[in-house]
Amino acid sequence: DAKTTQPPSMDCAEGRAANLPCNHSTISGNEYVYWYRQIHSQGPQYIIHGLKNNETNEMASLIITEDRKSSTLILPHATLRDTAVYYCIVHSGYALNFGKGTSLLVTP
Amino acid sequence: DSGVTQTPKHLITATGQRVTLRCSPRSGDLSVYWYQQSLDQGLQFLIQYYNGEERAKGNILERFSAQQFPDLHSELNLSSLELGDSALYFCASKDDRGAGNTIYFGEGSWLTVV
Repeated sequence: DAKTTQPPSMDCAEGRAANLPCNHSTISGNEYVYWYRQIHSQGPQYIIHGLKNNETNEMASLIITEDRKSSTLILPHATLRDTAVYYCIVHSGYALNFGKGTSLLVTP
Repeated sequence: DSGVTQTPKHLITATGQRVTLRCSPRSGDLSVYWYQQSLDQGLQFLIQYYNGEERAKGNILERFSAQQFPDLHSELNLSSLELGDSALYFCASKDDRGAGNTIYFGEGSWLTVV
């Protein structure tokens, strides 16, 4: 699986959009971009995934650049409960390989 | 609730002992994954089973073994336990019959070795 690079930490004010970037410059054509989050030692929670088109669900939006070398996870209206570690993973079908992720702190 | 069930939720045992962690995947999911999360190592992939057969191996120690049974539940066996084996152990499952299928995680089993 391709390696990803994420900032170690970010802050966001409650109610604002949280934009979490991820670089995956070595991604290959059959690899999906997945986002998970982990809230304080709970099981990792699936958020969203995409191949090349932008995706949106009830939790978030995923914007993938046209060259697929980077992506951004958008939480449109962050709440305190969105404070978590967010993992961007490039996945081609076997196990997910988690990096260190981005620790997002949502502040009142 | 992801639909993946793990037992026990917490376990305390002594060094040198053996424990078994159990995982029931989501209904219909054929693949089961085991992960270890310790404070200094992050989430580490251990092993994957697909429909009863081992499919992929990660950083699993020789003291650890797993299996997946005909009803698709899985067990992770940890033996000759050491203090460093204290960690959260997650099970995850996936349908695995199409492209881009999602892996869902259970809530984990906390293992403390004293």
